[in-house]
Amino acid sequence: DQQVKQNSPSLSVQEGRISILNCDYTNSMFDYFLWYKKYPAEGPTFLISISSIKDKNEDGRFTVFLNKSAKHLSLHIVPSQPGDSAVYFCAASVSGNQFYFGTGTSLTVIP
Amino acid sequence: NAGVTQTPKFRILKIGQSMTLQCTQDMNHNYMYWYRQDPGMGLKLIYYSVGAGITDKGEVPNGYNVSRSTTEDFPLRLELAAPSQTSVYFCASSSSTWGNYGYTFGSGTRLTVV
Repeated sequence: DQQVKQNSPSLSVQEGRISILNCDYTNSMFDYFLWYKKYPAEGPTFLISISSIKDKNEDGRFTVFLNKSAKHLSLHIVPSQPGDSAVYFCAASVSGNQFYFGTGTSLTVIP
Repeated sequence: NAGVTQTPKFRILKIGQSMTLQCTQDMNHNYMYWYRQDPGMGLKLIYYSVGAGITDKGEVPNGYNVSRSTTEDFPLRLELAAPSQTSVYFCASSSSTWGNYGYTFGSGTRLTVV
């Protein structure tokens, strides 16, 4: 039973444009969310987090939005760069304990 | 900075064999985790530890064992390997259960059971 879902397995975006990666979750108790980036043959790398007391968190080109009523979060990358090409995972937890991961979205940024 | 180091990177096991996946971190993190990633799936938590001497089951613990005798090391033991354990295994660590700074992951161990 997948509690965290990323329904788009892949996404292609032109360099300089916005990339929007989406994530849905089913457990309304989730209150802490993370995004990770993963290159081939490497472990995931932490990107950005958001807690349920916020609806937005920014870090440079990366912004995460949280819509608690819709149980939806999204990661915006602006502007997208070829080095952003990777697999992106969202993860959710209750009080920062066990994190449940989505299946990932493979982003390709076209130069 | 070494971060989280996993060995081996690749391994092929025969059904019924046993092995230990090694994980070491040099960041003095209290929290350590083992995840597995199957093709097309998200990472699933196998076991985790909140400090030396303390371990607990995650989402998919069956067929695995762990120990945490030191802060640095968190080995994962597979007994009687089965084809269903073919996966990529990631070890991770964090400084707090809240993961405020996210987890630091190792580069993974790709295990094939034949």
